[in-house]
Amino acid sequence: QKEVEQNSGPLSVPEGAIASLNCTYSDRGSQSFFWYRQYSGKSPELIMSIYSNGDKEDGRFTAQLNKASQYVSLLIRDSQPSDSATYLCAVNILNSGGYQKVTFGTGTKLQVIP
Amino acid sequence: EAGVAQSPRYKIIEKRQSVAFWCNPISGHATLYWYQQILGQGPKLLIQFQNNGVVDDSQLPKDRFSAERLKGVDSTLKIQPAKLEDSAVYLCASSPDDPWLRTFGSGTRLTVV
Repeated sequence: QKEVEQNSGPLSVPEGAIASLNCTYSDRGSQSFFWYRQYSGKSPELIMSIYSNGDKEDGRFTAQLNKASQYVSLLIRDSQPSDSATYLCAVNILNSGGYQKVTFGTGTKLQVIP
Repeated sequence: EAGVAQSPRYKIIEKRQSVAFWCNPISGHATLYWYQQILGQGPKLLIQFQNNGVVDDSQLPKDRFSAERLKGVDSTLKIQPAKLEDSAVYLCASSPDDPWLRTFGSGTRLTVV
C-alpha cells in the first residue's frame, strides 16, 4: 500500500465549477497534511496546510481532513483556467530517527476548461 | 528574500558518467532537502539535512548517490555512475524552524542517455 495515494487524473472541470481533489494516506500517526500546486515545468508551491479534523478555508481553496477515514481533500471553488496544474497531496510521517518526513502523492492533474 | 538557488538548470550526460548539482538555500534556513521527481510522479525525498547533519537518507541510493552540506549552508548532490533511471528533476528545498514552510528551488532537469 502506498503511503499517500491520489488519483492521477486528469480531472477536467468547466470554468466556474468546483474542483474536488482527493487523497488517502496509510500512516494513522500522521499529524500534518499539505496541498502543493505544481505548474508544468515548475517547482511545487505550498497552497494549503491542515492539522485538525474539519475544514480550513483560504480564499477559493478549502482543505478538508478526516483522520478517522485517513482522507484529506482540496476543494477549489470558482475554478479558473489558471488553476490548471498538478496538485500534490503531502503527509508528514515520523521517520525512525524521530524526524518528520513529508511524503508526497503522485499528484492529480487538474484541467479547467474555459 | 532571495529564493533557493540551484544550478545547473539542465544537464545531459551519458550513462556511467558522473554529475553534480548545487543548491544554496534561503539564508538562515536550517533544514535542506534534496528531492527526486521522475516525470509523472511526486517528489521523493532523497536526503534531509538539519544544519550540516543528515537526519534522513533512507531513500538515497548510497551506492551511487552522495550529498554533503558545507558549513550548514550550501549543498551538493552527486551521482556516480549515472543510470538511465536517474533521469529526473532534482529539487532542492529549504525550511526554517517550521519544517512545513519549505520553499523549493527551480530544480535541475537531468537526462541520462
